[in-house]
Amino acid sequence: GQNIDQPTEMTATEGAIVQINCTYQTSGFNGLFWYQQHAGEAPTFLSYNVLDGLEEKGRFSSFLSRSKGYSYLLLKELQMKDSASYLCAVRDIGDSWGKLQFGAGTQVVVTP
Amino acid sequence: GAVVSQHPSWVICKSGTSVKIECRSLDFQATTMFWYRQFPKQSLMLMATSNEGSKATYEQGVEKDKFLINHASLTLSTLTVTSAHPEDSSFYICSARERVMGGGEQYFGPGTRLTVT
Repeated sequence: GQNIDQPTEMTATEGAIVQINCTYQTSGFNGLFWYQQHAGEAPTFLSYNVLDGLEEKGRFSSFLSRSKGYSYLLLKELQMKDSASYLCAVRDIGDSWGKLQFGAGTQVVVTP
Repeated sequence: GAVVSQHPSWVICKSGTSVKIECRSLDFQATTMFWYRQFPKQSLMLMATSNEGSKATYEQGVEKDKFLINHASLTLSTLTVTSAHPEDSSFYICSARERVMGGGEQYFGPGTRLTVT
């Protein structure tokens, strides 16, 4: 199985940058996902990393280091609507169905 | 993009009754569907993996006789919470994995909020 750790909560001001770290342990890594979840809603897909390096998508970027079992999600030019929970999820290569194991989520609070 | 729907979006039922939740992939065929449960301020917990035409695989600690899963077609999976109790009140979310060579990404439904009184 996987152990996935991410901070519980982070606070930042509008316009700033926030980096959410995620560490994981898995027997066979087959991809790391970041999702955004607003309260009372289902998660929405943000990014997917399977190779080392940085993936940039507009204001959001995600980084992966497989050797370190580490990823981060970078949120730039924060907006109030970015206040949400951010979930790190890992897929195991040993699972043919591709199920994801989620971290506990990081609640990001954006203040004016 | 791929769309997954759930029905109902919310339901209130009395203790001891059963509730069925539907998960549909609207514009793609889903080889596999996953059912999650999420309690307030907690992360998603995988309950079971559902494959079309075969029995669901349940995660450790999830009672298969209480949470009945049926995946009758490539676009529909259902979760029935039998003899519901107040502690089953939760946010139930399904996701569907697209049937493409080499696998496919998971798309989440909007969730169903179950309240058992």
